[in-house]
Formats: sequence, structure tokens, C-alpha cells
Amino acid sequence: GIQVEQSPPDLILQEGANSTLRCNFSDSVNNLQWFHQNPWGQLINLFYIPSGTKQNGRLSATTVATERYSLLYISSSQTTDSGVYFCAFGGSNYKLTFGKGTLLTVNP
Amino acid sequence: DTEVTQTPKHLVMGMTNKKSLKCEQHMGHRAMYWYKQKAKKPPELMFVYSYEKLSINESVPSRFSPECPNSSLLNLHLHALQPEDSALYLCASSLRALPRNEQFFGPGTRLTVL
Repeated sequence: GIQVEQSPPDLILQEGANSTLRCNFSDSVNNLQWFHQNPWGQLINLFYIPSGTKQNGRLSATTVATERYSLLYISSSQTTDSGVYFCAFGGSNYKLTFGKGTLLTVNP
Repeated sequence: DTEVTQTPKHLVMGMTNKKSLKCEQHMGHRAMYWYKQKAKKPPELMFVYSYEKLSINESVPSRFSPECPNSSLLNLHLHALQPEDSALYLCASSLRALPRNEQFFGPGTRLTVL
């Protein structure tokens, strides 16, 4: 079946640091989404990025579909960035398969 | 408006109770989804509705019964649940049930089965 692997599983940063989260997937991509799940459980859409690069403030994402990976960059991290970051992959059907997530902790 | 709403936020029920979860969107989306998320795990797909018709059931036990009464509303009826069904239940929607359509999630209902 489809494999979606995220790394690292856990990441601890000091406020102001930069970080890169990675998502590897095993099949041709039609949908690739990055989410931030806050402590209350809400999944917040960060990027819809099946290919190319997008930026939104301190966050940016790049998907290289031919090499089957996506990266999420967080710059100048803040304590409010803490939470779980999921990538979710969609292949030939409309089912989203989630990676196991990266638990990010940003300390003041 | 890219909002999916869910009610209630929290629900505690006994194993003999019948309850329902509600999800609503007014984005004109014609695909709606139910996901289940256990603690420290990623969300897992349960059901997909496309144009108010059930198109995917991921082998979910019959004690979970979905319903899509119209294009904006999705319900999940619960009956005779087990304690292991305690989880966060997330609703999502997308423009169509197509591979390249972005999914948007509601805030979830946190369910506890006693």
C-alpha cells in the first residue's frame, strides 16, 4: 500500500530557530497537504502543494513530485508553532493518507 | 468562508446510548468525509460521501451509521459503542471527491464512551 513517512518524529526548538520537516511518499502524487494540529485537535490547513513551492509568512513548502518528497520550512519559530505537523498524501483516488506526524515543541 | 463546523465539541456517552455527531459546511462542497483519530495517531478515513451518496466505507463497524441529508450536512449516528471507540472524530469536505481537491477539516468532536 501507499507509504507516507515523516521525519523527524519529534523536534524541540528554541524560539527564533528555523526548522525543516520532511515527508516522503511512495507513489505518484495528486494531492499533498500539510496540516498543523493544535492542542485542541483542530487540523489547520497550511499548504495544498502537490508540486512546486509556496510561501505563507514564516512558513514555506516545497514538493518535488518526481523524487517523491515534500518539505515544510518554519522560520523564526514561535511558541504558538508548537503542535503536531502532518503531511497527507493523495494518489490516484481521493483518499488522503496521513503520515505519523512530527511533534514540534518550541520553547521560549 | 472556508469553515467546516462540528457539534458537539465534546460528547460522553454510555455503551447503551444513541447519539449523533453533526457536521456542516457552506462552501458548496459536494464531497464530505468522516475521519477517526486516536490519541497520538494520525487521522484515519471512515466514510466518504460524494453528491450525498456514500461512496467509500472503510470497513467501519455498523454501530457507526453515516447520513448525508443534503449537500451541506453530514451526520454520524452512534449506537452501542465500545470504550475503544473513544476518539476525536473529524469531519472534512472538498469541492469534489477528486484526487486533486483540497480537503478542509472541522474542529472535531471528542468522544468518550464509558
